Amino acid sequence: AQKITQTQPGMFVQEKEAVTLDCTYDTSDPSYGLFWYKQPSSGEMIFLIYQGSYDQQNATEGRYSLNFQKARKSANLVISASQLGDSAMYFCAMRGYNNAGNMLTFGGGTRLMVKP
Amino acid sequence: EPEVTQTPSHQVTQMGQEVILRCVPISNHLYFYWYRQILGQKVEFLVSFYNNEISEKSEIFDDQFSVERPDGSNFTLKIRSTKLEDSAMYFCASSVRQGKNIQYFGAGTRLSVL
Repeated sequence: AQKITQTQPGMFVQEKEAVTLDCTYDTSDPSYGLFWYKQPSSGEMIFLIYQGSYDQQNATEGRYSLNFQKARKSANLVISASQLGDSAMYFCAMRGYNNAGNMLTFGGGTRLMVKP
Repeated sequence: EPEVTQTPSHQVTQMGQEVILRCVPISNHLYFYWYRQILGQKVEFLVSFYNNEISEKSEIFDDQFSVERPDGSNFTLKIRSTKLEDSAMYFCASSVRQGKNIQYFGAGTRLSVL
């Protein structure tokens, strides 16, 4: 079984500053994937970034990067140069590669609010 | 850019009625999923579907739920007799294959059971 914990229910960041959203996980699977999704107020779930447990380098996608610390079981999302449009809920999720159904397990989310 | 399409965006139904939520996955994707999100809560996995059969389902996915791929493009979730607690946002997702297998989500259907 997998478990994802996001300890920050809400965060503020000043526009143009960087922000880190925390995510810790627990799993018994030796191989797994970690994902971040963004959910704006309109409700859709938008894929942001992926990190495989055996990837040697931290994932980056534009202004998003993932600070992956395997020994600490953390996969924090870093957003650089925050924009007003970054205001949304952010969900960390994981999938173990031993389960046939590919189910994602989600954390409770962090609401990010970007201040102008 | 290809996307997962869900209809309707909002469905209102009376308790005990049957509802069908519809999804058109991304065309070359082979794996399909349903998740739900009760207001203010986590996104929860319901079921995954591959090769015309359920590959995994959660405890939530009881006998009241069923999924079907009636043709080459649609993927549906049926709730046979809705309960008040079925009120939630229902997300369909699809992915191309195993491995990285990123799941792309639709915009969701908000189901309100009265």
